[in-house]
Amino acid sequence: DIQMTQSPSSLSASVGDRVTITCRASQDIAKYVNWYQQKPGKAPKVLIYGASSLQSGVPSRFSGGGSGTDFTLVISSLRPEDLAFYYCQQNYETPYTFGQGTRLEIK
Amino acid sequence: QVQLLQSGPEVKKPGSSVKVSCEASGGSVSSESLNWVRQAPGLGLEWMGGIIPIFGVPNYAENFQGRVTITADESTNTVFLEVTSLRVEDTAVYFCARDHRPGIYSWFDIWGQGTLVTVSS
Repeated sequence: DIQMTQSPSSLSASVGDRVTITCRASQDIAKYVNWYQQKPGKAPKVLIYGASSLQSGVPSRFSGGGSGTDFTLVISSLRPEDLAFYYCQQNYETPYTFGQGTRLEIK
Repeated sequence: QVQLLQSGPEVKKPGSSVKVSCEASGGSVSSESLNWVRQAPGLGLEWMGGIIPIFGVPNYAENFQGRVTITADESTNTVFLEVTSLRVEDTAVYFCARDHRPGIYSWFDIWGQGTLVTVSS
């Protein structure tokens, strides 16, 4: 199975900060990475697909990058409503696997 | 717009079985990949398996092979997840999700609301 190692596991940042979350795959997966946001008690919501494509309706302060084994999710200017958990997911092959998640807190 | 509606919470005894449903409304999902994702309390997301109803052949994660059965009923636009020989550690929220594949990339774009299954003696 492809392992997705996500970091950091938690972070605290202030409104307006630039935030970066990284994900490393255990093998080359080209750009087959998605990023999800999950708020407490809710289902995940896709933010980025194909490593760098912004899902329709998602604010442009979210962006994704990378290919091969190293990927990033960037929030360019943090807003209070971005308080959530964030997960990367590889869909290069089944079993689809997720990173362990990043808990994002607002200072 | 397709929506996925899951069945309600369940409380089960260890060793018993549970069957969770996920009904699609607003469009047919017969040719779409419907998947199940598990989230244990306070933990991350775990893909369990998926099925394309029109083909009817499920694909399982190895961790769940043997205790999990995913089926689909095209006539009611519904997919099902059955877990047998339940253990306390199966306590989790179970989500169904559509794997949207318009081109070379795919992503889980539509999710059910989640079904909490509690396993306790």
